[in-house]
Amino acid sequence: AQKVTQAQTEISVVEKEDVTLDCVYETRDTTYYLFWYKQPPSGELVFLIRRNSFDEQNEISGRYSWNFQKSTSSFNFTITASQVVDSAVYFCALTADNYGQNFVFGPGTRLSVLP
Amino acid sequence: GAGVSQSPSNKVTEKGKDVELRCDPISGHTALYWYRQSLGQGLEFLIYFQGNSAPDKSGLPSDRFSAERTGGSVSTLTIQRTQQEDSAVYLCASSLGGTTSSTDTQYFGPGTRLTVL
Repeated sequence: AQKVTQAQTEISVVEKEDVTLDCVYETRDTTYYLFWYKQPPSGELVFLIRRNSFDEQNEISGRYSWNFQKSTSSFNFTITASQVVDSAVYFCALTADNYGQNFVFGPGTRLSVLP
Repeated sequence: GAGVSQSPSNKVTEKGKDVELRCDPISGHTALYWYRQSLGQGLEFLIYFQGNSAPDKSGLPSDRFSAERTGGSVSTLTIQRTQQEDSAVYLCASSLGGTTSSTDTQYFGPGTRLTVL
């Protein structure tokens, strides 16, 4: 069975601090896909990134970066120089399906960035 | 429209009634997804459509749930004989192809908040 764990329920940081959101996953599939989504207070989910299991290159997009390590089954998300607008619930998700079916989501981490 | 739209935005119904939720994907998007978000269960995947076809319906919580998509566009999620545990926000997303495509991005609608009294 597939499982996604986000051990941090809530995190609070002060603006401009760096913050890392942890995601640990379990799957028996050798090919799988990992995702991060952001859900701001407005409620609308925003897709952030997708990573294939055969591509362990880390990725940076502006202030966002992702560290994928198959050896520890982790796909952590770092926000550098956090801003108040980063305040949201962040979800990590996993699917082994080529067509993106059967997502398994983590419980989410609520990030509060204080001014 | 420019984004994914869902209607109604809010629906309050009585236990035992049927409800129909609608999703209008972005024009040209062949992939459409339904999810549910509730306090108790978090975010759950319900069903995926590629065009008008849903290859796997096992994500639907019970046989009271059904979904269809017509013309490769609008999709409806129907819940029959609603129960209180069906109360949740139902989210729809669309993408050009499947989300595992390296060039694909999912776009989400604002959701329908369903309350079953």
